[in-house]
Amino acid sequence: AQRVTQPEKLLSVFKGAPVELKCNYSYSGSPELFWYVQYSRQRLQLLLRHISRESIKGFTADLNKGETSFHLKKPFAQEEDSAMYYCALSQGAQKLVFGQGTRLTINP
Amino acid sequence: GAVVSQHPSWVICKSGTSVKIECRSLDFQATTMFWYRQFPKQSLMLMATSNEGSKATYEQGVEKDKFLINHASLTLSTLTVTSAHPEDSSFYICSLSVYSYNEQFFGPGTRLTVL
Repeated sequence: AQRVTQPEKLLSVFKGAPVELKCNYSYSGSPELFWYVQYSRQRLQLLLRHISRESIKGFTADLNKGETSFHLKKPFAQEEDSAMYYCALSQGAQKLVFGQGTRLTINP
Repeated sequence: GAVVSQHPSWVICKSGTSVKIECRSLDFQATTMFWYRQFPKQSLMLMATSNEGSKATYEQGVEKDKFLINHASLTLSTLTVTSAHPEDSSFYICSLSVYSYNEQFFGPGTRLTVL
């Protein structure tokens, strides 16, 4: 069965420190992975997707098929990065399976 | 990107009553929409896929007779929680699938509280 695991419910780092939000998945086919973000009092929105290999707001994520991981990274955290982050897997027909989410807090 | 609205944003109802939640696509044709529910401090759980002009496809464990989905137009999908009970209290979120963007656009959510 398709599954997305985010092992950390909470993650707190200081401003300027590196950030890594972990995401592991299980999927029998060729996975398509996304990171969604939800800022305080805002709706869920797409941060980035693995097929684009893009960097958004300084965040990057590399798909590692060997480790079945799609960790989200940023070298220098900013206070405005504080939010809830969800890793998601597309299981065809654009249906998404979400991980449990990680609440990231950036301390000043 | 696409803009998705939900109405109401917040509703309280008595146990046993039915509640209808609307999800509107304001600028894209919504042939496919999704309904999720989110319990406090938990992740989004897909409930059903709403297809314009046809029956919704429900995920395993979701009662189709309890959560009625109607998607009669290209701009509107509705979710009706029938005979609501306190355990149905949750945050209900819809999303619009835009194939050309390979992305889902989410509504702001509706918080349902059943007394």
